[in-house]
Amino acid sequence: ETGVTQTPRHLVMGMTNKKSLKCEQHLGHNAMYWYKQSAKKPLELMFVYSLEERVENNSVPSRFSPECPNSSHLFLHLHTLQPEDSALYLCASSQGTDWQPQHFGDGTRLSIL
Amino acid sequence: QKEVEQDPGPLSVPEGAIVSLNCTYSNSAFQYFMWYRQYSRKGPELLMYTYSSGNKEDGRFTAQVDKSSKYISLFIRDSQPSDSATYLCAMSRGRDTGRRALTFGSGTRLQVQP
Repeated sequence: ETGVTQTPRHLVMGMTNKKSLKCEQHLGHNAMYWYKQSAKKPLELMFVYSLEERVENNSVPSRFSPECPNSSHLFLHLHTLQPEDSALYLCASSQGTDWQPQHFGDGTRLSIL
Repeated sequence: QKEVEQDPGPLSVPEGAIVSLNCTYSNSAFQYFMWYRQYSRKGPELLMYTYSSGNKEDGRFTAQVDKSSKYISLFIRDSQPSDSATYLCAMSRGRDTGRRALTFGSGTRLQVQP
């Protein structure tokens, strides 16, 4: 059973819709991450949060808007997405006081119609 | 040129074989190295991680890092059908928050035939 839970597992939305992805970690970590995994491409880092502050935005379009209300929860708000945004969106967490590996959730499979 | 290169496979081996998975990288700033396993419809699962050059063993898995050659490997002994998955190498530059994010290889798909 993963210590990082993502909901929903699957999401189909139109290009004009607004939806949100949710991630919750039960590991006591204080850093959280969003990654995008597209077919035949490496995982791409989108955002990094440490102690609820965004510390990295990897040139992600503004139609993706992250939110980290506390160290256990991370959201990715979506609006006006494009078909190329269809992918698996993965959340990860790690303990931030020293280097520790990241632990991943099972992702949300997003399809844009 | 990609920062991390990984042969996508697929790699098909018979049960019981020794499997060798490899990644090369170009950025000498990478200090931490990981291997993840990803089953279909699941997230990446951490297998092993290491900081220094040399070998690290855990059961049937051995991770090897050669920083001078910028080359990392994962060996799987006595491979099982349950090892069939995509294996991802990943690396990061350091402890600081901004350097901790992972750079991934594209993954190698492994199929272990019973």
